[in-house]
Amino acid sequence: NAGVTQTPKFRILKIGQSMTLQCTQDMNHNYMYWYRQDPGMGLKLIYYSVGAGITDKGEVPNGYNVSRSTTEDFPLRLELAAPSQTSVYFCASSSQDRDTGELFFGEGSRLTVL
Amino acid sequence: SQKIEQNSEALNIQEGKTATLTCNYTNYSPAYLQWYRQDPGRGPVFLLLIRENEKEKRKERLKVTFDTTLKQSLFHITASQPADSATYLCALPYSSASKIIFGSGTRLSIRP
Repeated sequence: NAGVTQTPKFRILKIGQSMTLQCTQDMNHNYMYWYRQDPGMGLKLIYYSVGAGITDKGEVPNGYNVSRSTTEDFPLRLELAAPSQTSVYFCASSSQDRDTGELFFGEGSRLTVL
Repeated sequence: SQKIEQNSEALNIQEGKTATLTCNYTNYSPAYLQWYRQDPGRGPVFLLLIRENEKEKRKERLKVTFDTTLKQSLFHITASQPADSATYLCALPYSSASKIIFGSGTRLSIRP
């Protein structure tokens, strides 16, 4: 199993450009998450999904959109990139197992907006 | 308003000592709390989960406590080693079982 795979690993955008961060998981997890992490800070929840066709806003959803058409994929879209969106983005998935509720994370996508 | 607070200052301790990290939360009563480890440039890795009806949980050299009255969890690493140096994050479900939010993390450095 590859686990959670994020692409791209690095990207530089100009202000106003759009892009999609891809996230796919092969663990058949229903729950998927997008977080951003600014330097020296913790993770802030952007959006999450409890299953295909269902998405909900997290703590910092403004400037982002998501979709969940399949169990495996949970892409994050930035429509009009702004310097404030410079960050490292992490995708995670979970089966919400009763014993651990463990989140499995991807390796992150480092985005710079200039 | 800050929902989860962790020591923002880095914690530096001597090898062999016990490291204790704090996680305080407000405005909610979570059913459980999780701890993760994050190494530089990597995604967080799950360590432990403790439920609201559990006072303490152990895994090898790790011990977690959960005080729902104080709204606080303590994370202990006993017999610390330089390899334990990392950032440790606490997380909990906020307002719904599926909405998992994180604290800002505490950077731990273990010196030989």
